[in-house]
Amino acid sequence: NAGVMQNPRHLVRRRGQEARLRCSPMKGHSHVYWYRQLPEEGLKFMVYLQKENIIDESGMPKERFSAEFPKEGPSILRIQQVVRGDSAAYFCASSLQPHGETQYFGPGTRLLVL
Amino acid sequence: RKEVEQDPGPFNVPEGATVAFNCTYSNSASQSFFWYRQDCRKEPKLLMSVYSSGNEDGRFTAQLNRASQYISLLIRDSKLSDSATYLCVARGDGGSQGNLIFGKGTKLSVKP
Repeated sequence: NAGVMQNPRHLVRRRGQEARLRCSPMKGHSHVYWYRQLPEEGLKFMVYLQKENIIDESGMPKERFSAEFPKEGPSILRIQQVVRGDSAAYFCASSLQPHGETQYFGPGTRLLVL
Repeated sequence: RKEVEQDPGPFNVPEGATVAFNCTYSNSASQSFFWYRQDCRKEPKLLMSVYSSGNEDGRFTAQLNRASQYISLLIRDSKLSDSATYLCVARGDGGSQGNLIFGKGTKLSVKP
């Protein structure tokens, strides 16, 4: 069974560009969570999505960030007009159950904003 | 006050040593707790869940004290491969149950 897949693994953007991060959950999982890990910091929850629904976006910055999990295809975390402070590792996790206790993490996307 | 606090370490121990990590959490409504392990530049991986009754998995023992809002992890007979950052995690409550709250981690380095 394939685990959680994320791509790209590394992404370099210049300030002002857009970043799109993709996450494919484990087979059979319909609950996806995005976390951000700034350098030397712990992981911070951003958003929890179920297919076609945002369940909890309490950790999402108010501007420039959006997330979706369409009926078909991967979940997308989109960052518009990136700034240097967006440089971080972005991890996606998935679970079988809603509000899953057991969340399986993908390898992450490392975003570098120049 | 941070929601989940850990001593960042590093803990430098010889092989075979016993090492203990502690963690405190601020939200008394949190119901579930975990220890994750994160290797350098890798994703977190679930090590074990933490229960009030205490639970053991091989060389690892986890304990939860709800009254003190305190979580511990004990590693016996440390191996070189145990070198990693150990993350204390609390699950959110209410509408935030899907939200795992991570501590910043405690770094362990096991030396030969």
